[in-house]
Amino acid sequence: DAKTTQPNSMESNEEEPVHLPCNHSTISGTDYIHWYRQLPSQGPEYVIHGLTSNVNNRMASLAIAEDRKSSTLILHRATLRDAAVYYCILFDDSNYKLTFGKGTLLTVNP
Amino acid sequence: DTAVSQTPKYLVTQMGNDKSIKCEQNLGHDTMYWYKQDSKKFLKIMFSYNNKELIINETVPNRFSPKSPDKAHLNLHINSLELGDSAVYFCASSLGTLTTDTQYFGPGTRLTVL
Repeated sequence: DAKTTQPNSMESNEEEPVHLPCNHSTISGTDYIHWYRQLPSQGPEYVIHGLTSNVNNRMASLAIAEDRKSSTLILHRATLRDAAVYYCILFDDSNYKLTFGKGTLLTVNP
Repeated sequence: DTAVSQTPKYLVTQMGNDKSIKCEQNLGHDTMYWYKQDSKKFLKIMFSYNNKELIINETVPNRFSPKSPDKAHLNLHINSLELGDSAVYFCASSLGTLTTDTQYFGPGTRLTVL
């Protein structure tokens, strides 16, 4: 399975932007980059995904490096509700599965 | 309406018992999954069904048996429960198996084996 590397934890202040990095140097040409998050005591929740181009949705933006070996999830204005574990995942299209790593625990300070 | 629901939310049982966890999705999706999240919070896929057909079967003890009576349901039956089976089990569903298909997760079932 293609691997991703994320910092174990990050901290942010409320109302400030947050940039969550992810390295995926072994990504293959057809792997999509997915981000999910898991709020405390809840199931994971989809955030965003992309292939090559940067992507925006109502929750976040995804910036993908030109060589696709890294990506950054951007929360434009962090709120207390954004405190969660964020998972960067490469979708393995050879066997249809998401392989979750350790993720980044985001703490948002009021 | 809850998109992906699981019952029960909590399950406490003795070693050696047999138990089932039920999952239902009302999203009209073709693909459903079971994941296990252990005490260290690692989330691992166990099984996946697409149109009632098993497509992912990870290295899981054969005491675990998924059953999909129809596309909207994927149940997990566990025989001879062991202490190490204690975990949170999540059900999920997606439209299909494409790399762009989002997975929707249920709230989880916390299984405690005593």
